[in-house]
Amino acid sequence: NAGVTQTPKFQVLKTGQSMTLQCAQDMNHNSMYWYRQDPGMGLRLIYYSASEGTTDKGEVPNGYNVSRLNKREFSLRLESAAPSQTSVYFCASSYDRGNQPQHFGDGTRLSIL
Amino acid sequence: AQSVTQPDIHITVSEGASLELRCNYSYGATPYLFWYVQSPGQGLQLLLKYFSGDTLVQGIKGFEAEFKRSQSSFNLRKPSVHWSDAAEYFCAVAPFTGGGNKLTFGTGTQLKVEL
Repeated sequence: NAGVTQTPKFQVLKTGQSMTLQCAQDMNHNSMYWYRQDPGMGLRLIYYSASEGTTDKGEVPNGYNVSRLNKREFSLRLESAAPSQTSVYFCASSYDRGNQPQHFGDGTRLSIL
Repeated sequence: AQSVTQPDIHITVSEGASLELRCNYSYGATPYLFWYVQSPGQGLQLLLKYFSGDTLVQGIKGFEAEFKRSQSSFNLRKPSVHWSDAAEYFCAVAPFTGGGNKLTFGTGTQLKVEL
């Protein structure tokens, strides 16, 4: 039972490069999320998708784009990476009601030089 | 806007001692409340959740949490800590109505266990 799978696990980029982080879930969840985790700041929501075909901005969307490719997959794209985007990125999924817990992937550790 | 405060950044306890991690939230109504744990290099794992009803909820790994409406708190407790409990703990809230399932997280409490 894979749950939420993120690829890659680690990546180093140069400033200005682009990259897409991939996320897939096999739990038939409607909602998917992208967070970034920075020391002392907890997890902050970048974008979320309440259902296939819809996406909405979260708390820190600047510099990112997302695509909900189908019900299973939700990708996060950095068009022109900046050092401020060095972080650990987590994808999560859940059923779409507030009382349903989110299930997290193991994260992508991204460094931008 | 809702917010979550975890006032303790770091806590150190001895193995076998009791543990309490504090969480306070700010929200117009009672939200859904969650505690997650993150081991080094891992994603977040759900420990327990509160929706309604009994204000003392039991979770995995021997953890429990008590919701206190009057104090807007949802503190996590464990009677006897094990070395394997060393991790970072996050409190989170989701809105009761509207907003779907968007979580707001606290900044986390890092737990160190001394042997």
